[in-house]
Amino acid sequence: SQTIHQWPATLVQPVGSPLSLECTVEGTSNPNLYWYRQAAGRGLQLLFYSVGIGQISSEVPQNLSASRPQDRQFILSSKKLLLSDSGFYLCAWSGSMNTEAFFGQGTRLTVV
Amino acid sequence: AQKVTQAQTEISVVEKEDVTLDCVYETRDTTYYLFWYKQPPSGELVFLIRRNSFDEQNEISGRYSWNFQKSTSSFNFTITASQVVDSAVYFCALSEFGDMRFGAGTRLTVKP
Repeated sequence: SQTIHQWPATLVQPVGSPLSLECTVEGTSNPNLYWYRQAAGRGLQLLFYSVGIGQISSEVPQNLSASRPQDRQFILSSKKLLLSDSGFYLCAWSGSMNTEAFFGQGTRLTVV
Repeated sequence: AQKVTQAQTEISVVEKEDVTLDCVYETRDTTYYLFWYKQPPSGELVFLIRRNSFDEQNEISGRYSWNFQKSTSSFNFTITASQVVDSAVYFCALSEFGDMRFGAGTRLTVKP
């Protein structure tokens, strides 16, 4: 069966520090991969999605970036965090375009 | 770009009441997919249902039912005989080309 792993579960980082959140999927190949952010009490904002290795679509211009170095690995990064980057970050995968997505446990990021 | 509107920010009901969560979407495509997800207090998103734009047949799954009407661009979700365990944030989502976008969510509280 397919599983998705996302870590860490919680993270407290100072303003200006770098960020690296990792997500891996097991039990499937060539998944579509997604990064979402959920601010406190808000909906999910699509940040990046990828349909294959090295293929990244960015939805929101900001100081975050994403990379897909391997088929089932998706990384969310920042060189310098801002206070506004605080939120709940969710990684997800789907088997193909327009099928349901399955989500990781999420990372709660607090920038102080 | 496609858009999903969940006008109800919060709903509170007493156990055993029926409740309908509204979802209205905007898209210029004739082919698209609609989804509902549940986010319990733990934070993880749980997939509930997927519908494609060519299938307007309503669906019932236990106490859950979904009403898809293309004429009004709506995909509403009804919980019959609500239970305390139904308390969660519910998200409606729309996907056209694999870029799944979510509404702001509706927080449902079911009181005993």
